[in-house]
Amino acid sequence: DTGVSQDPRHKITKRGQNVTFRCDPISEHNRLYWYRQTLGQGPEFLTYFQNEAQLEKSRLLSDRFSAERPKGSFSTLEIQRTEQGDSAMYLCASSMTGSTDTQYFGPGTRLTVL
Amino acid sequence: QKEVEQNSGPLSVPEGAIASLNCTYSDRVSQSFFWYRQYSGKSPELIMSIYSNGDKEDGRFTAQLNKASQYVSLLIRDSQPSDSATYLCAVEAVTGRRALTFGSGTRLQVQP
Repeated sequence: DTGVSQDPRHKITKRGQNVTFRCDPISEHNRLYWYRQTLGQGPEFLTYFQNEAQLEKSRLLSDRFSAERPKGSFSTLEIQRTEQGDSAMYLCASSMTGSTDTQYFGPGTRLTVL
Repeated sequence: QKEVEQNSGPLSVPEGAIASLNCTYSDRVSQSFFWYRQYSGKSPELIMSIYSNGDKEDGRFTAQLNKASQYVSLLIRDSQPSDSATYLCAVEAVTGRRALTFGSGTRLQVQP
């Protein structure tokens, strides 16, 4: 069990550029979640996949954000036309279907939009 | 009113003391409750989960849940300087909805 991994760990980009982040969940976990965290706040839910199906999306997920999990394994989160307000830590978590469904977080990708 | 509320702190306790962290939530149908620890610049790390009213103990940590009062707490016994971190309360707010709603966290400082 190598845990949830995320790539890259840090990303600096200029306003208006597109960025893509990758998340690899714990291998046997079928659920995958994306959250965003800004300084001094708790993580805020963005979206959730069960296998390859995207089952929930937050109102925070504007049309500039898109997430995919094409084969039910790794997931990507793309932000188009980045804005300075997108600067945050983007966290991925995974869990296994079951009565507890505990979510385990990856190390996060810190995005800075200049 | 925020869905999950925590005192931001900092809560300062001396080494060896009991640290008590509190959390209230607004959605009465909440089913699952979690405490995560987050060191500065790092991601949240699961400490405890609790689903039923009462106490749940795991080593130096005890989670307490009172659904009637919509209140969940975390006690840390024999606090150590390494426990200094932000503690996040998370609630699975609606049955069948998997998203966690987090509080803003309480910063704990354990003084040596």
